[in-house]
Amino acid sequence: GENVEQHPSTLSVQEGDSAVIKCTYSDSASNYFPWYKQELGKRPQLIIDIRSNVGEKKDQRIAVTLNKTAKHFSLHITETQPEDSAVYFCAAFPNDYKLSFGAGTTVTVRA
Amino acid sequence: ETGVTQTPRHLVMGMTNKKSLKCEQHLGHNAMYWYKQSAKKPLELMFVYNFKEQTENNSVPSRFSPECPNSSHLFLHLHTLQPEDSALYLCASSHLALPSYEQYFGPGTRLTVT
Repeated sequence: GENVEQHPSTLSVQEGDSAVIKCTYSDSASNYFPWYKQELGKRPQLIIDIRSNVGEKKDQRIAVTLNKTAKHFSLHITETQPEDSAVYFCAAFPNDYKLSFGAGTTVTVRA
Repeated sequence: ETGVTQTPRHLVMGMTNKKSLKCEQHLGHNAMYWYKQSAKKPLELMFVYNFKEQTENNSVPSRFSPECPNSSHLFLHLHTLQPEDSALYLCASSHLALPSYEQYFGPGTRLTVT
């Protein structure tokens, strides 16, 4: 099955700086890579996703890059704000109805 | 708030109790999922139902028993649980078709086994 590794497990950044979270996956058949954000006490929610036919996707301050050859993908948050503090999960979808999630990264934005 | 609801939100049960978790989705999705979320661990997929048929059971102990009577409702029946089963149990649903496989999560049930 698919195995997704996520780093770092915790990340503390100064407000206004950038944050980068990296994930690797094992199954070359995976073709869909979403990122979920889970604020404290709330449910995970999709913030951005990318498909295997695209190398980069951007939505305002967040962007995701995908390197299929190396089997890794990354989330970039620019100009971080306190409301970006949350746990972020990457996931890979090997086209069998299942998402395999990474262990999560706890991001803390310091004011 | 969202189209996926879960009840109860909090549950405390003894190891000999029997209880059930309920999930309901109003999004017209055709797939539903149960996840277990423990501290410092990845989201663990427990069960997948696709068009009401169970397509995945990730070696979950038999003390967890899912039921999907229709595409809108999903239950997780609990029996003789262990303290290590204490966790947040999340239900999710999705529509298994492009352009998005986005999973919509419910608010979760915080389960404590004493």
